[in-house]
Amino acid sequence: DAGVTQSPTHLIKTRGQQVTLRCSPKSGHDTVSWYQQALGQGPQFIFQYYEEEERQRGNFPDRFSGHQFPNYSSELNVNALLLGDSALYLCASSLTFSGDPNEKLFFGSGTQLSVL
Amino acid sequence: AQTVTQSQPEMSVQEAETVTLSCTYDTSESDYYLFWYKQPPSRQMILVIRQEAYKQQNATENRFSVNFQKAAKSFSLKISDSQLGDAAMYFCAYRWGNRDDKIIFGKGTRLHILP
Repeated sequence: DAGVTQSPTHLIKTRGQQVTLRCSPKSGHDTVSWYQQALGQGPQFIFQYYEEEERQRGNFPDRFSGHQFPNYSSELNVNALLLGDSALYLCASSLTFSGDPNEKLFFGSGTQLSVL
Repeated sequence: AQTVTQSQPEMSVQEAETVTLSCTYDTSESDYYLFWYKQPPSRQMILVIRQEAYKQQNATENRFSVNFQKAAKSFSLKISDSQLGDAAMYFCAYRWGNRDDKIIFGKGTRLHILP
């Protein structure tokens, strides 16, 4: 059973460019959350997708947008990249309404984005 | 706003010894969950242990246990019989409610295991 997979693992972009990161949730999961982890910091919540809609959003500008597909996979798009967008981007999946009180979040290994 | 604070950027412990990582949090909510996550060099966040705020009993998972002091808003992690594989970044985290998957993380504590 594959866990959460993210692609690519590493990416280098130039300031001002646009980037798309991809995430496939754990089999059976329907909800995807994205986190940004800057160097030396804990992850920060960007947004969450459920039923192909953005359900929650953290304190991130509109340059950060996302999408969820019918197969539950998700994309994170960042426009007009800034140097400060350099970070590890983590995807996490879960099952909404699982009925299991111990239902937990599963994380991928992230995409390391470097903006030069 | 909810916050999570880890005041120990780095800690070291001798293999087979016991170490305690500290965490404090701030919230006005009564229904919340607290977590400790481990992030090894593979970068994947791995759940170590979780604690429901309404439970008075401290959670335990094998060599890992917590000391949950609700009134003091303190949530420390104790690792017994430390092993080389325990070396990693450890993040204390908070989640409001049961189905709100937005998790607030602390800045982390890097744990070194000395052979």
